[in-house]
Amino acid sequence: QVQLQESGPGLVKPSQTLSLTCTVSGGSISSGGYYWSWIRQHPGKGLEWIGYIYYSGSTYYNPSLKSRVTISVDTSKNQFSLKLSSVTAADTAVYYCARVFGDGRYFDYWGQGTLVTVSS
Amino acid sequence: QSALTQPASVSGSPGQSITISCTGTSSDVGSYNLVSWYQQHPGKAPKLMIYEVSKRPSGVSNRFSGSKSGNTASLTISGLQAEDEADYYCCSYAGSSTMLVFGGGTKLTVL
Repeated sequence: QVQLQESGPGLVKPSQTLSLTCTVSGGSISSGGYYWSWIRQHPGKGLEWIGYIYYSGSTYYNPSLKSRVTISVDTSKNQFSLKLSSVTAADTAVYYCARVFGDGRYFDYWGQGTLVTVSS
Repeated sequence: QSALTQPASVSGSPGQSITISCTGTSSDVGSYNLVSWYQQHPGKAPKLMIYEVSKRPSGVSNRFSGSKSGNTASLTISGLQAEDEADYYCCSYAGSSTMLVFGGGTKLTVL
């Protein structure tokens, strides 16, 4: 059973960079056939896809966030990470990591989510 | 504003059937059979309920079914149960420039 767990600071100051890591267990990021994704959910709102990465390092981002987002992968640690720069209060959200089945482009496993608040 | 349009809320009584629509465009829902549906209970992570328009993952009740016609996908839940009360989100692949888009979500109330 694949499991994903987000980790990182729960509080980030405005204009700084939000950094989160997702640790994958029960399966290898390097096994291929899957993308590894970040999704966020603003308080009381819907889901927003941020982007995803393949184990080879190829990345795909939501055009609306592309200028501020970097997703990277560390296959040796079976982890992938999110960096979101120049954050504002509008970036306050629950951030989820998830596995995407490649051909079907669907999210089959999700982390529990972590709330990140942007505030001074 | 979400890329895919869903009704904000739907409701039904136990045992009844309901359908949630998800309307996109010819660039996403209409072009790809890559629509998925997620159930989210309060404070929990979303759970995959339907993928590739109409396929059910192992362990998901056969009361859940999906379909698509043109630019609109639909999720139908038959034999409503109290545990089905949750938020439901659709998601579609939208091509290499936009990638993945979600609907705004629908709150299902079981009366």
